[in-house]
Amino acid sequence: GQSLEQPSEVTAVEGAIVQINCTYQTSGFYGLSWYQQHDGGAPTFLSYNGLDGLEETGRFSSFLSRSDSYGYLLLQELQMKDSASYFCAVVTDSWGKLQFGAGTQVVVTP
Amino acid sequence: NAGVTQTPKFRVLKTGQSMTLLCAQDMNHEYMYWYRQDPGMGLRLIHYSVGEGTTAKGEVPDGYNVSRLKKQNFLLGLESAAPSQTSVYFCASSYPTGAHNQPQHFGDGTRLSIL
Repeated sequence: GQSLEQPSEVTAVEGAIVQINCTYQTSGFYGLSWYQQHDGGAPTFLSYNGLDGLEETGRFSSFLSRSDSYGYLLLQELQMKDSASYFCAVVTDSWGKLQFGAGTQVVVTP
Repeated sequence: NAGVTQTPKFRVLKTGQSMTLLCAQDMNHEYMYWYRQDPGMGLRLIHYSVGEGTTAKGEVPDGYNVSRLKKQNFLLGLESAAPSQTSVYFCASSYPTGAHNQPQHFGDGTRLSIL
């Protein structure tokens, strides 16, 4: 079957580093995206990995290993505003269709 | 710079009623998508469109219909609402060029309750 697995919740203190893992099993794979969602609002795009390796965007980095069907999102220098839900999403075809994981709620404490 | 606008933001329906959710984007995006989000389940694709006049089924299309008569608008219809359709509905849009690496831009959602 098709599935995306990610932890349901992660708690960390301000300034810490958090890694959110995502393993996937899908019928099609073009790449792995990550989205952030605050308090049930509009999801916003964070990153995309189409090839193996690390992509860095400011405090956030994303990694992909296609051979392991695995990726992660790394949040560095955590800030209170990073408290949100983070979703990994597999791009399953050339039309850009996304299959989402259930999301990881990140709680940042002072 | 509105981006993706969804109308209405909230709605309560009775079982069996019908309604249409409107999504409008001003970014000249070719591709548009409708998702539903339920607690603990992430977002699931209902229907999508790769251009004006085209629509296709996603992961959970049953009970919904869509239309894309104008490039900027994507409508989601519920012909006979059921309590199982209580959810938060998100619309998204993206550019087609290398669509698989183009981010999707989401609206703020429509919170729909079916009694």
